[in-house]
Amino acid sequence: KAGVTQTPRYLIKTRGQQVTLSCSPISGHRSVSWYQQTPGQGLQFLFEYFSETQRNKGNFPGRFSGRQFSNSRSEMNVSTLELGDSALYLCASRTGLGRDTQYFGPGTRLTVL
Amino acid sequence: AQSVTQLDSQVPVFEEAPVELRCNYSSSVSVYLFWYVQYPNQGLQLLLKYLSGSTLVKGINGFEAEFNKSQTSFHLRKPSVHISDTAEYFCAVNKGSNYQLIWGAGTKLIIKP
Repeated sequence: KAGVTQTPRYLIKTRGQQVTLSCSPISGHRSVSWYQQTPGQGLQFLFEYFSETQRNKGNFPGRFSGRQFSNSRSEMNVSTLELGDSALYLCASRTGLGRDTQYFGPGTRLTVL
Repeated sequence: AQSVTQLDSQVPVFEEAPVELRCNYSSSVSVYLFWYVQYPNQGLQLLLKYLSGSTLVKGINGFEAEFNKSQTSFHLRKPSVHISDTAEYFCAVNKGSNYQLIWGAGTKLIIKP
């Protein structure tokens, strides 16, 4: 079974721009979660989508948004980029039923200049 | 509220020596506990998990962890480390009924030759 894939792996943007990151979950997984990882703040939960609906949301500003498609693929969008948005963005998928295990993708490294 | 504390930000250890990475959690309800590993420039990989049953959990790459309910700990151990174990290790606990993961700050395992 293929693992979680994320595209692109690396991105460089400038302040004020917007960016869209993509995540394809493991086949059969209906839940996709997004995390931001930085050296200062560690791993922080952004949001979780299950069957095209946002199920949980972390404490991030509205500039961070996401969506999930009927095939469970998910996208995350960040608008009006700030320098502090530079981070590794990780996507994780799971079946979404009960306390099952999250499986992570390799991440997208976003650098904001 | 649940929280996870990884007491050591870095643990240096000589190759072939044993290692213990400490994790304590706070929770008033039953928990599911996880250890993930992150190799440089990669996503997170599940090492092992405790859901129920035996308190000694064996994982991949020779790692094991012991769930201690009275001490609210879930320490990770390996009897003999290898240079390839150089990575950052994250402890996580399920949060409430929506099964979000609460993460520790991570411990960097540094293997000295």
